[in-house]
Amino acid sequence: EAQVTQNPRYLITVTGKKLTVTCSQNMNHEYMSWYRQDPGLGLRQIYYSMNVEVTDKGDVPEGYKVSRKEKRNFPLILESPSPNQTSLYFCASSRTGTSGQETQYFGPGTRLLVL
Amino acid sequence: SQQGEEDPQALSIQEGENATMNCSYKTSINNLQWYRQNSGRGLVHLILIRSNEREKHSGRLRVTLDTSKKSSSLLITASRAADTASYFCATVSSNDYKLSFGAGTTVTVRA
Repeated sequence: EAQVTQNPRYLITVTGKKLTVTCSQNMNHEYMSWYRQDPGLGLRQIYYSMNVEVTDKGDVPEGYKVSRKEKRNFPLILESPSPNQTSLYFCASSRTGTSGQETQYFGPGTRLLVL
Repeated sequence: SQQGEEDPQALSIQEGENATMNCSYKTSINNLQWYRQNSGRGLVHLILIRSNEREKHSGRLRVTLDTSKKSSSLLITASRAADTASYFCATVSSNDYKLSFGAGTTVTVRA
């Protein structure tokens, strides 16, 4: 089954404790991205990757890191989480066609609470 | 920054009625996509329309695109309670291929 998986689904942590949210897709997609969703603000892109070893900042990259060592995986790293990073996080992937990124496949989301 | 802006922010309709929401954007696009999100869940793709297309249909969904006005609309006909969700448009910029989402329209269908 074609899917994007994220782990963990729920996470409670404390300020400053490094954490990683994993994202994996099984569709051989070139494009992967991370979003955070906060009430009233819609989806804001954190980082995206056009292909292996190619990553770029989105609209809200501060406090986050990513890597794309393999095509299927795109982990999101919070080196020193702060309470303002409490949010719902989504990973997404798509193929890149002639008109750019096409249908986005979203993971189920990771709800993060930073105390 | 968000490229797409949905309007209205919220919409409440009776079951069986049609729901229309609009998306306006600022820069030239390669394609525009519509997604649905049920509360707290991942977004689900509905329709992709390319810049050289004007209208697309999928079941009870109809999407139009007017590139001269930089706007798109999503029409849901004969709405059902299960259509209660948030709807988002996303654009792929033709300048830098960046994908951007709007803030969404929350649709409530009353039984």
